[in-house]
Amino acid sequence: DTEVTQTPKHLVMGMTNKKSLKCEQHMGHRAMYWYKQKAKKPPELMFVYSYEKLSINESVPSRFSPECPNSSLLNLHLHALQPEDSALYLCASSPTRGAGYEQYFGPGTRLTVT
Amino acid sequence: GEDVEQSLFLSVREGDSSVINCTYTDSSSTYLYWYKQEPGAGLQLLTYIFSNMDMKQDQRLTVLLNKKDKHLSLRIADTQTGDSAIYFCALLRGKAAGNKLTFGGGTRVLVKP
Repeated sequence: DTEVTQTPKHLVMGMTNKKSLKCEQHMGHRAMYWYKQKAKKPPELMFVYSYEKLSINESVPSRFSPECPNSSLLNLHLHALQPEDSALYLCASSPTRGAGYEQYFGPGTRLTVT
Repeated sequence: GEDVEQSLFLSVREGDSSVINCTYTDSSSTYLYWYKQEPGAGLQLLTYIFSNMDMKQDQRLTVLLNKKDKHLSLRIADTQTGDSAIYFCALLRGKAAGNKLTFGGGTRVLVKP
């Protein structure tokens, strides 16, 4: 099973709302990632968790707040977003960080900020 | 920084072979990947190659790596309409760069019947 699941599939939120994106994997992977993908562009790394600890934050604005409650779950809490934050948010996981460990991606959450 | 370049678009007839190219600048990349993204979907890992290999074949897919020219290619044999998608090459940068994946801009492949 190489499945990463993400919920919800689509999310529309206003600029004053608070919402969360969820990601789950049951492959025993210990590294999990959040990416943002704008239309017709490659994914851009946002955050990396390794063994449930935040190891990389790619200078992401504080209105995005990641959380890794356990080794299978990864959340992205959203607050006071801007319309330019509308994008496809992809979660990925890999056995650990580092060489040779391919990342498996979920289907993404398409976020629209109005 | 790391540059990974891909051509934007490739049109191919069903049954023909497709070749998608990728060039890069960082020679320290250890693993090089090909991902496929269909409309509205996430990225599907297709195959990868380790930097000490020249070629890897996996069913209809053949990956060629020319380290001297920093050129990676993906050949899809007997291309089908279901192969229409965006294809991203991605390079795993080393520990000093945080073991991050750097993606190319993606090549949109259109397969015509």
